[in-house]
Amino acid sequence: GESVGLHLPTLSVQEGDNSIINCAYSNSASDYFIWYKQESGKGPQFIIDIRSNMDKRQGQRVTVLLNKTVKHLSLQIAATQPGDSAVYFCAENSSQNYGGSQGNLIFGKGTKLSVKP
Amino acid sequence: KAGVTQTPRYLIKTRGQQVTLSCSPISGHRSVSWYQQTPGQGLQFLFEYFSETQRNKGNFPGRFSGRQFSNSRSEMNVSTLELGDSALYLCASSLFPATNEKLFFGSGTQLSVL
Repeated sequence: GESVGLHLPTLSVQEGDNSIINCAYSNSASDYFIWYKQESGKGPQFIIDIRSNMDKRQGQRVTVLLNKTVKHLSLQIAATQPGDSAVYFCAENSSQNYGGSQGNLIFGKGTKLSVKP
Repeated sequence: KAGVTQTPRYLIKTRGQQVTLSCSPISGHRSVSWYQQTPGQGLQFLFEYFSETQRNKGNFPGRFSGRQFSNSRSEMNVSTLELGDSALYLCASSLFPATNEKLFFGSGTQLSVL
């Protein structure tokens, strides 16, 4: 089956540096992508999303880049802080089935980000 | 506004028993989805409910079932528990079940099957 995967399982960065977390997806029909952050003992928290008609979207300290040609998604965190330490998941969804459903949401395995003070 | 509330937070059961997990969505949210999270398989979709109807179901055996009530609260049930059912069960809510509706997750119920 098609799935979303992550290039690196762990990422360690120095406080203040920029972080880049990568994600590959394989379903060409996916048209909506989301990044989630999961801290220990908590559920995933929405960070930022992007639709397939865009290639870049910026939020507060975060930027998501979408390259549909190579089916690649990345999350950039500027000036990484200790509070950014968490597991980051990318997820993809397709509006083609069921008229749109959260049930089509496929999560990657996650990348653990550790921020060194 | 209160977030997604899941109860209980932790649960220990033995093989063969059954378990019921509860989820209260964010006020006004009518769509509830359930996910299973394990270190090996990651986050996997279980069910999606909207207006008391199961709208979509993941690839899990029939031992896993769920329902949604008229107030949008949802429960999931696992019968005849197996060791492999040990996982974090996450509930998420959204306004509607549309693809680009943001999902808000609860903190989950950590189920341990002994």
